[in-house]
Amino acid sequence: KAGVTQTPRYLIKTRGQQVTLSCSPISGHRSVSWYQQTPGQGLQFLFEYFSETQRNKGNFPGRFSGRQFSNSRSEMNVSTLELGDSALYLCASSLAPLAGVTDTQYFGPGTRLTVL
Amino acid sequence: DAKTTQPNSMESNEEEPVHLPCNHSTISGTDYIHWYRQLPSQGPEYVIHGLTSNVNNRMASLAIAEDRKSSTLILHRATLRDAAVYYCILRRASGGSNYKLTFGKGTLLTVNP
Repeated sequence: KAGVTQTPRYLIKTRGQQVTLSCSPISGHRSVSWYQQTPGQGLQFLFEYFSETQRNKGNFPGRFSGRQFSNSRSEMNVSTLELGDSALYLCASSLAPLAGVTDTQYFGPGTRLTVL
Repeated sequence: DAKTTQPNSMESNEEEPVHLPCNHSTISGTDYIHWYRQLPSQGPEYVIHGLTSNVNNRMASLAIAEDRKSSTLILHRATLRDAAVYYCILRRASGGSNYKLTFGKGTLLTVNP
């Protein structure tokens, strides 16, 4: 069974631009979560989608948004990029929504975003 | 939010047991304790989880204090492949989909050959 895939793996943008990252979950998984990882803040939860609906959201500004498609694939968008948005963006999938506290999350390799 | 505290780093020798501690003094009754690890240049991977009782799986054991204010991840025989950042995470079941995740800063485990 293929794991979680994220595209692109690396991305370089300039301040003010916008970016879209893509995540394909493990086949059969319906919940997709996004995380931001930086050296200073560590791993921080962005949001979770299930059945094309955002069910949970972390403490990030509205510039960060996402969506999920009917095939469970998800995209994350960051508008008006800032230097501080440089980070590793990780996607994780699981069978059930995060309300299932014992559900295991399977992480992708991440997209490394650099904002110049 | 309940927080976790872990040592920044630990060192072990190959084939020796490793005990990775985590403090979570403000844990609530509905918080599950999860451990994930992140190998270099990879996304995190699940290791183990528990609520009150000690747990074992093929990767590790989880020992939870009786008052649940701390827990210890035990790797019975460390290998070089176990070198990673280990995260102690509290996952709260607060009803419906209003669900919070709390990542600790993690412990960087170095395994010496």
